[in-house]
Amino acid sequence: GNSVTQMEGPVTLSEEAFLTINCTYTATGYPSLFWYVQYPGEGLQLLLKATKADDKGSNKGFEATYRKETTSFHLEKGSVQVSDSAVYFCALTMDSSYKLIFGSGTRLLVRP
Amino acid sequence: GAVVSQHPSWVICKSGTSVKIECRSLDFQATTMFWYRQFPKQSLMLMATSNEGSKATYEQGVEKDKFLINHASLTLSTLTVTSAHPEDSSFYICSARSGVYQPQHFGDGTRLSIL
Repeated sequence: GNSVTQMEGPVTLSEEAFLTINCTYTATGYPSLFWYVQYPGEGLQLLLKATKADDKGSNKGFEATYRKETTSFHLEKGSVQVSDSAVYFCALTMDSSYKLIFGSGTRLLVRP
Repeated sequence: GAVVSQHPSWVICKSGTSVKIECRSLDFQATTMFWYRQFPKQSLMLMATSNEGSKATYEQGVEKDKFLINHASLTLSTLTVTSAHPEDSSFYICSARSGVYQPQHFGDGTRLSIL
């Protein structure tokens, strides 16, 4: 079946460090890929998305590139801030039902 | 735009009572709403998909008599946890979309604690 695998957290970084959160997927076709962010006690917010191979999604300094050859969609940010501390979910959707399949989430903690 | 409001944000109640959670799309018409459950430090698990005016479609393993979903209008869906027990304690999150290929917009979630 279709699934998403994320690196386990927590990821702890100092402010202004470089961030990478790995995400790989398994899918029978050509999914759309997403990164969502969840701040403490809140729902999810769409951070960025990519709908086809080689697309790069970007938002708020975060970016991720849809790599079909490695079935990956790694999240990166050049310089993290304390306010980026949250849980990040990688997700995919496959068909017209648009059901989201989530990874297990990666908690990011950024220290001043 | 695309705001989804969930109410209440936190509820505590006694075992055996029923609890209703509302999910509203404030500035768009939601043809489809989704209900998720999230256990501490875990991912979201889809419970059911509801389309306006029709019965909800439940995921495998979700008791439809336990988790009643109503989507009576294009801006409101409700999840009722019937005869709630401590094992139903969780974080429930709804999302809504305005069309088949439109992205889902999430509410802020409802933390349910059953004593």
